[in-house]
Amino acid sequence: QKEVEQNSGPLSVPEGAIASLNCTYSDRVSQSFFWYRQYSGKSPELIMSIYSNGDKEDGRFTAQLNKASQYVSLLIRDSQPSDSATYLCAVNNQAGTALIFGKGTTLSVSS
Amino acid sequence: DTGVSQNPRHKITKRGQNVTFRCDPISEHNRLYWYRQTLGQGPEFLTYFQNEAQLEKSRLLSDRFSAERPKGSFSTLEIQRTEQGDSAMYLCASSPIRVVGTGARRPYEQYFGPGTRLTVT
Repeated sequence: QKEVEQNSGPLSVPEGAIASLNCTYSDRVSQSFFWYRQYSGKSPELIMSIYSNGDKEDGRFTAQLNKASQYVSLLIRDSQPSDSATYLCAVNNQAGTALIFGKGTTLSVSS
Repeated sequence: DTGVSQNPRHKITKRGQNVTFRCDPISEHNRLYWYRQTLGQGPEFLTYFQNEAQLEKSRLLSDRFSAERPKGSFSTLEIQRTEQGDSAMYLCASSPIRVVGTGARRPYEQYFGPGTRLTVT
């Protein structure tokens, strides 16, 4: 059974701090990794994709991938109350079709 | 707005009734996906289409579920004889296909619509 594991949280950080969200996956052949943000009652919104080992930065967001450790993370710098949401880690299945999601980590940023 | 759209946004139905949901993907995207999400869980894959062909179905897609994409554009998901356990958010996503440096075709990012929330009473 291919799995994606995330700490459900909640992760609480003060405004302006760095939030670090982590995800591990079980399928070594996974090639594509994604982070989605989901506000309560809304649908997932893609915020980052990463395909190669290392870091990928986009504004306040940095995704980090380590395929040897089967680990992907998301850093949010200068966290804002508007970043409070559930962050979903997703990995493509072996066929490269479906996304396999973790249960998500709830982030709460306090002002 | 050129994003993925879904209708209806909310549906309340009685157990045993049939329901149908519609998804209109981003126009140039040839791949379309259906997922289901329940409270506290990540989305779970149901099925996917490449153009009009349904190429993969999850074991979650029981015989009561059927999906179509007749002309490779919009898609419908029908649930027959609904059960209370069918209550969930039904999400549609679409993606194009990208060609990587090796010439291999890889799926691109999936973009989700707003979802249809189904409540079975």
